[in-house]
Amino acid sequence: EVQLVQSGAEVKKPGESLRISCQGSGYSFTTYWINWVRQVPGKGLEWMGRIDPSDSYTNYSPSFQGHVSISADKSISTAYLQWSSLKASDTAMYYCARRFSSWIDSWGQGTLVTVSS
Amino acid sequence: QSALTQPASVSGSPGQSITISCTGTSSDVGGYNYVSWYQQHPGKAPKLMIYDVNNRPSGVSYRFSGSKSGNTASLTISGLQTEDEADYYCSSYTTSSLVFGGGTKLTVL
Repeated sequence: EVQLVQSGAEVKKPGESLRISCQGSGYSFTTYWINWVRQVPGKGLEWMGRIDPSDSYTNYSPSFQGHVSISADKSISTAYLQWSSLKASDTAMYYCARRFSSWIDSWGQGTLVTVSS
Repeated sequence: QSALTQPASVSGSPGQSITISCTGTSSDVGGYNYVSWYQQHPGKAPKLMIYDVNNRPSGVSYRFSGSKSGNTASLTISGLQTEDEADYYCSSYTTSSLVFGGGTKLTVL
């Protein structure tokens, strides 16, 4: 069974750094891209970017380029989403999701990030 | 890239059929047969319902179907059931990224 298991909820202050994780299991982690998707409370889904775990090639939505960083460690089948300086507007649920061809077929359970002073 | 355009809400009675539209451009919806649809219940992760315009993954009810004409894709749910009440999102492949619609809240009256 394909599973994406994300790290737990986080509460941070503005300006702090953060890295959340997404561990894949039940499939060959390097075969499928991992995407990150943001969902602000009460709002829709926003594609942030993706990584190819086989070579760590990334590309980002222009809306998120420069504000977040996506990485992966294929030795432990884990992808990461990282911020160096959080803002209150980063408060959201973040999902990792496996891309199969042109669609997402599996989602993590989500990581809630709350940024508040 | 701009989000795809979906109606904010649709509603229907049990047993009826509804259709949710998803309008993009020739650079996304119109340019590729790569439209997918996701269902999201409150507090849950999205679930794939349709991929590549009109294909159902294993385990998804035949009551869900998809189509596309030009720059607009559509999701039709027939024989509405109360458990279909959820948010629905379309998505389209672009050259190297994905773009989502704004989401449609389906209410089953």
